Amino acid sequence: DGGITQSPKYLFRKEGQNVTLSCEQNLNHDAMYWYRQDPGQGLRLIYYSQIVNDFQKGDIAEGYSVSREKKESFPLTVTSAQKNPTAFYLCASSKSGHIGDGYTFGSGTRLTVV
Amino acid sequence: GENVEQHPSTLSVQEGDSAVIKCTYSDSASNYFPWYKQELGKRPQLIIDIRSNVGEKKDQRIAVTLNKTAKHFSLHITETQPEDSAVYFCATNTGGYQKVTFGTGTKLQVIP
Repeated sequence: DGGITQSPKYLFRKEGQNVTLSCEQNLNHDAMYWYRQDPGQGLRLIYYSQIVNDFQKGDIAEGYSVSREKKESFPLTVTSAQKNPTAFYLCASSKSGHIGDGYTFGSGTRLTVV
Repeated sequence: GENVEQHPSTLSVQEGDSAVIKCTYSDSASNYFPWYKQELGKRPQLIIDIRSNVGEKKDQRIAVTLNKTAKHFSLHITETQPEDSAVYFCATNTGGYQKVTFGTGTKLQVIP
């Protein structure tokens, strides 16, 4: 399914709970990214990682955390500190962090706070 | 940080007509400009990209033009078909790295 898998497809969370979104790729890509998609706001970068054991905050990192312990995995945790977590979350990867390597996106996880 | 503005937010064209989507950016160091297409319920996919050392790039019915002086770039789709209906996102990198900032998207509807 395109080499990058996100799970689950739909996720419901109660207020005050942390949840973790999975992103796995078998493309041997070095760089991975998490974006949040809201209607009318495009895609906004949450976190990105150029290599294993290294990651950087994006534009809207508050209330989120990530880890990059393995090259193929880049899980995103939405913490209770995220004030408006209901959104569509997209994971992406690129061959490297260099200019010109297009992104491959996962199919996304839709998170709803109930 | 980088600011990318995209217009229009929605666009309806008759099948066979051309469609143009425009984006402006703020960071003069940006040098990579990809375009992504997201069909309803699907993931975004890269359809074309251009680097700053090129003014125009074509791929069949799709072309992208870049004006670095004015800091804007455009996507041109000719002979539109119903399967071109989707949301299109422009993007550009921040500084010298691959991390990109996306525009807010344009919903294109091609009317048969």
